[in-house]
This record gives sequence, structure tokens and C-alpha cells, in this order.
Amino acid sequence: SQTIHQWPATLVQPVGSPLSLECTVEGTSNPNLYWYRQAAGRGLQLLFYSVGIGQISSEVPQNLSASRPQDRQFILSSKKLLLSDSGFYLCAWSVWRDQPQHFGDGTRLSIL
Amino acid sequence: AQTVTQSQPEMSVQEAETVTLSCTYDTSESDYYLFWYKQPPSRQMILVIRQEAYKQQNATENRFSVNFQKAAKSFSLKISDSQLGDAAMYFCAYRSLNSGNTPLVFGKGTRLSVIA
Repeated sequence: SQTIHQWPATLVQPVGSPLSLECTVEGTSNPNLYWYRQAAGRGLQLLFYSVGIGQISSEVPQNLSASRPQDRQFILSSKKLLLSDSGFYLCAWSVWRDQPQHFGDGTRLSIL
Repeated sequence: AQTVTQSQPEMSVQEAETVTLSCTYDTSESDYYLFWYKQPPSRQMILVIRQEAYKQQNATENRFSVNFQKAAKSFSLKISDSQLGDAAMYFCAYRSLNSGNTPLVFGKGTRLSVIA
């Protein structure tokens, strides 16, 4: 069966520090991968999605970047975090276009 | 571009009663999928139910059912015999089948409270 792993679960970082959040999927090949951000009590904002290795689509201009170095690995990064980067980050995957997206457990990021 | 609207930011229901959450969407496509996701306080996103646009029959999963009105572009979620564990944010989502790899389009969510 397919599983998605996202880590860390919680992260507290100072303003100006770098960021690396990692997401990996097991049990499937060539998944579509997604990064979302969710502010407290709010909806999901799509940040990036990828349909293959090295292929990244950015949905909103921001302080973050994404990379897909391997088929089932998706990384969210920043060189210098801002206070506004605080939030809950969710990774998701899907395979066939008629299938739903499946989500990881999320990372709670607090910027101090 | 497709949009999904959930007009009820918050809803409440008495335990054991029935509640309906509304969702409307805007699209010019004829082939698509619709989903309802539940996000409890743990913030994990859980798929509740899905509906294929080409199917006239409404999807059902135990106490959860949908009322899919394709012409009206409406996709409401009915929760029967509500339980305390149903308290969560509920998100309606749309997925196009015309463009192979497009992400889901989510509504802004409805927060459901269940009163004991």
C-alpha cells in the first residue's frame, strides 16, 4: 500500500534562518506531488506541485522554493524565513487523475 | 479557472441529528471529480467521500452521503446520526479530468461543531 511521510512534525525557527521540509511517498511510482500551506483556521493554499523529477510549478510568488530530486521525494525550502512563513504545511500525492490527493500528517512551522 | 465555494464558514449540529454542508463550484467542463475532506483538530486531511461527475447516483459512505446536482453545480454533504468525532473542518474539492495533472481546487472550508 502507498504511504506518505512528512517531517518534521513540528519546527520552531528564528527569522532569517533556512528551512527544509521533506516529503517522501512509498509504494507508488511517478506520483504527482504537492505542497500546501494552511494558516490557523483557514483554507489550503497550494504552493507548489510537481508532475515529475525536476518539474516544479509554483502557484504563488513567495519566499519559498521546492525541489524534486528523486521520483518520490519533494522538498520545500527557504534561504531566509520570514514571520509570514509561519503556518501548517501539508504535502500530498496523487497518481491517476481520477483519484483523490492523499495527504501527509503535516508540519507545524513557527517562526520566532 | 474552476472555483469552489463553501458559503457556511461555521455550522453546528446536535449529537445524533443530521446536518448538511453546502458546496457549489464553477466550471465549464463536463468531466470531473468532486471530493469532501475532513480535517479534525489533529489537522490530518482525511478523504470522506468522492463523486464522479458522470455518475447520476449520489455517493454514500456509511453515515456520509452527498447530494450532487450537476446542472446546479452543487455538491452538498449530509452527515447523519452526527457523532462527537465528526467535529472538524470540512473541505469541498474539485478535480478536472481534462487536464491530466491539475491539483485539486479547494473551498475555504466549513467548521462543524457537534453539541452533546
